[in-house]
Amino acid sequence: DIQMTQSPSSLSASVGDRVTITCRASQSISSYLNWYQQKPGRAPDLLIYAASSLQSGVPSRFSGSGSGTDFTLTISSLRPEDFATYYCQQSYSTVYTFGQGTKLEIK
Amino acid sequence: EVQLVESGGGLVKPGGSLRLSCAASGFTISNYNMIWVRQAPGKGLEWVSSISSSGSHIYYADSVKGRFTFSRDNAKNSLSLQMNSLRAEDMAVYYCARDAGHMDVWGKGATVTVSS
Repeated sequence: DIQMTQSPSSLSASVGDRVTITCRASQSISSYLNWYQQKPGRAPDLLIYAASSLQSGVPSRFSGSGSGTDFTLTISSLRPEDFATYYCQQSYSTVYTFGQGTKLEIK
Repeated sequence: EVQLVESGGGLVKPGGSLRLSCAASGFTISNYNMIWVRQAPGKGLEWVSSISSSGSHIYYADSVKGRFTFSRDNAKNSLSLQMNSLRAEDMAVYYCARDAGHMDVWGKGATVTVSS
């Protein structure tokens, strides 16, 4: 199975900061990489699909980049509602896998 | 409104069985592959199973293979996950999701508790 590794596992930041989360695949997955946001007690929400495409309704401060094995999610200027846990997920193989998550906390 | 609603969660003893259902509205599931994802308490997301739009191809995580069965009824616009031989490590919130190459629609989840 393809392993997905996110870094960091947790991150403290302030409102207005620029934040980057990294996701690395154990083998090349082309651009078959998606990002989700999850808030406590809620189902995940799709943010970015195909590495860099913004899901409809998602604010433009979120962006994604990368291909092959290395990917990033960037939030350009943090807002209070962005403090949540973020997951990457590969859809390259029929066995989907998620990263372990990155918890973004208020500094 | 596009929506998925899970039902059937509950408390079950180790070794027991439970059947989860997922009802779709606002779209036709026959046009999509569908997925179950679970999340154990305090843990991350784990893909459980996928089913193709026709139901002809089904994939399972190794952790549930041979114990869980994913099925779909396109006529009723609904999905089911039959879970047998449940273990403590199966305790989780189970989400059904629409697969458009990415999971763009999620249900609110059904809680499965495995305890004696």
